[in-house]
Amino acid sequence: GAGVSQSPSNKVTEKGKDVELRCDPISGHTALYWYRQSLGQGLEFLIYFQGNSAPDKSGLPSDRFSAERTGGSVSTLTIQRTQQEDSAVYLCASSLRWNSPLHFGNGTRLTVT
Amino acid sequence: GESVGLHLPTLSVQEGDNSIINCAYSNSASDYFIWYKQESGKGPQFIIDIRSNMDKRQGQRVTVLLNKTVKHLSLQIAATQPGDSAVYFCAEGSFGNEKLTFGTGTRLTIIP
Repeated sequence: GAGVSQSPSNKVTEKGKDVELRCDPISGHTALYWYRQSLGQGLEFLIYFQGNSAPDKSGLPSDRFSAERTGGSVSTLTIQRTQQEDSAVYLCASSLRWNSPLHFGNGTRLTVT
Repeated sequence: GESVGLHLPTLSVQEGDNSIINCAYSNSASDYFIWYKQESGKGPQFIIDIRSNMDKRQGQRVTVLLNKTVKHLSLQIAATQPGDSAVYFCAEGSFGNEKLTFGTGTRLTIIP
C-alpha cells in the first residue's frame, strides 16, 4: 500500500519567509511524528500526535515552529520567519500505535537562503 | 541527559562478509529498540526491532542483540551485499515516552 507521503520534496525559501510542510501518513496509523535531520546528523524529535490526545510539542525548537493534524490524518508543519539554521530535512513518520515501527516519508529538504 | 550513541561512525566491509554495527544507550528505562537503514535521499527504513524482554531477534539476514546489563545494542548483517551500503541508526523508546531517541548513525560501505 501507499507509504508516508511528504510534500514538497524540496523547498528553497528566503530568510524571514514562512513555510508549510505537509505530511500524509499511512491510512489507519494513529500516531504521527515530525523529526528534523541536519546534514550528517541523527534525527531530532520535533512533535508527536497520537489520536485525539494533545500533541507532545516538547521537541519544537522555538515558537516559530508549529504543527497541526487535521481529522487525525494529514499534518502540516509550519515554520514562521525562517532562519538559516532551520535548513534541514524534515521527516514525517507514522505508526499504528506506540511501540510499533515508525514508517518514514522521504522528507522535505528545506533550504533557507 | 539520556542519549543513544554509536561506537563507530564509519564501517567498511567486504561484500559477502558479515558486518556488526554497535550502539550504546544510556536510558536504563528504555524498553523498545529499533534499527533503521537510511539510503541517500530517502527516509529511514525500518529493519528490525526488539523489546527489552528479549536479548536476540532474527530477521532476514539481520540479527539484533540486546545486552541490558551493559546497555548495548548491535545489528548483525550476514553476507553483506552492495545494497546494504547505507547509514544505520539505532533508536530507543520507553513506555510513556513515545518519542524515539535516535543515535547519530553509522555509515556502512560494502566493498565489491
